[in-house]
Amino acid sequence: ETGVTQTPRHLVMGMTNKKSLKCEQHLGHNAMYWYKQSAKKPLELMFVYNFKEQTENNSVPSRFSPECPNSSHLFLHLHTLQPEDSALYLCASSQEIGTSSEQYFGPGTRLTVT
Amino acid sequence: GQNIDQPTEMTATEGAIVQINCTYQTSGFNGLFWYQQHAGEAPTFLSYNVLDGLEEKGRFSSFLSRSKGYSYLLLKELQMKDSASYLCAGMDSNYQLIWGAGTKLIIKP
Repeated sequence: ETGVTQTPRHLVMGMTNKKSLKCEQHLGHNAMYWYKQSAKKPLELMFVYNFKEQTENNSVPSRFSPECPNSSHLFLHLHTLQPEDSALYLCASSQEIGTSSEQYFGPGTRLTVT
Repeated sequence: GQNIDQPTEMTATEGAIVQINCTYQTSGFNGLFWYQQHAGEAPTFLSYNVLDGLEEKGRFSSFLSRSKGYSYLLLKELQMKDSASYLCAGMDSNYQLIWGAGTKLIIKP
């Protein structure tokens, strides 16, 4: 596989469930990102990892918990979510942070919280 | 604060030319990006400008004026497949992207 992949593509979960989103990049990049995309709103940066170390946490509620075991994989663990968390969750990667290299995005996970 | 403004929606005709404008305010500046996003798909990189002027890439061109905090994306010879959202993003002094809400471009035959 090439590029950035995300699983699952669609997820429906209840507010009491626990689930995880997975992202994998095959580009040899060192930086990975989680974004939230809601309709008609700008992309919201949630978390940034550079060389497996978290460098940004943009005031994200603790019900979202990221994990980056290595430079190629990124997870977003979800628990006790709210209906307003329903959105498209995009993973991206870039060469590394601190440069103007473009970000490559995965297809996203469409999350619906019921 | 940091902010990116772009029109919510534009309509154009197949074969025509359309210009999508973007104004930006960032803390420091390390460039301006344009991405294309088809419905239900990942955003894909279109262009990057860090110096003033026009960058041409086939049917797509991107312009930057740093003094005016302004950029535009120019699409020529529009095709139906160009129907998509176009996202403008400014990179601040921390190399973090500040995103606009996107411009939905509708192409009519």
